[in-house]
Amino acid sequence: AQSVSQHNHHVILSEAASLELGCNYSYGGTVNLFWYVQYPGQHLQLLLKYFSGDPLVKGIKGFEAEFIKSKFSFNLRKPSVQWSDTAEYFCAVRASGTYKYIFGTGTRLKVLA
Amino acid sequence: NAGVTQTPKFQVLKTGQSMTLQCAQDMNHEYMSWYRQDPGMGLRLIHYSVGAGITDQGEVPNGYNVSRSTTEDFPLRLLSAAPSQTSVYFCASSQWGGAGEDNEQFFGPGTRLTVL
Repeated sequence: AQSVSQHNHHVILSEAASLELGCNYSYGGTVNLFWYVQYPGQHLQLLLKYFSGDPLVKGIKGFEAEFIKSKFSFNLRKPSVQWSDTAEYFCAVRASGTYKYIFGTGTRLKVLA
Repeated sequence: NAGVTQTPKFQVLKTGQSMTLQCAQDMNHEYMSWYRQDPGMGLRLIHYSVGAGITDQGEVPNGYNVSRSTTEDFPLRLLSAAPSQTSVYFCASSQWGGAGEDNEQFFGPGTRLTVL
């Protein structure tokens, strides 16, 4: 069965620090990959997505992610975080040809002002 | 567009009661899904639908029923509520088909359900 692992459950950073959140998935075929963000009290919003082509994907609010097929990874990065980035971040995978999206357990990011 | 709407926002049930969580979307999306979100467990897929009249089970379907009589609506029914169903429930929708470029899911605001 497919699975998604987010190894960092809680991350605390100071403003202007760089961010990298890990995401690994288990599936050998073609995948669609997503990062969603959930700000406190709000619903999930899409940060970025990868379907094909350039493995470096840029999303909203300065976030980017790199798909490394050989490592089954899709790590999220941001060079300089802001207090407003405090949120929970979810990685999700959909295997090509299937209807099911599998989410990771999420990473809670707290940015200290 | 209102996007994906869910009602109610909050609900408290007693064990054994039944209820229906409502979900509607106005984007003419073929794909709709229900998730539950629990601390430390992320989002888990309960049921999904790829069009009117077509539904299937996700990871955690037990205790829940769905139906899809129209493109717009995808209600989730709890047949006999149990404390283990205390959770936040999210509905989502997306377009479907083709090369998959449109398969971004749009989420509703969620329903916080407590079962006593």
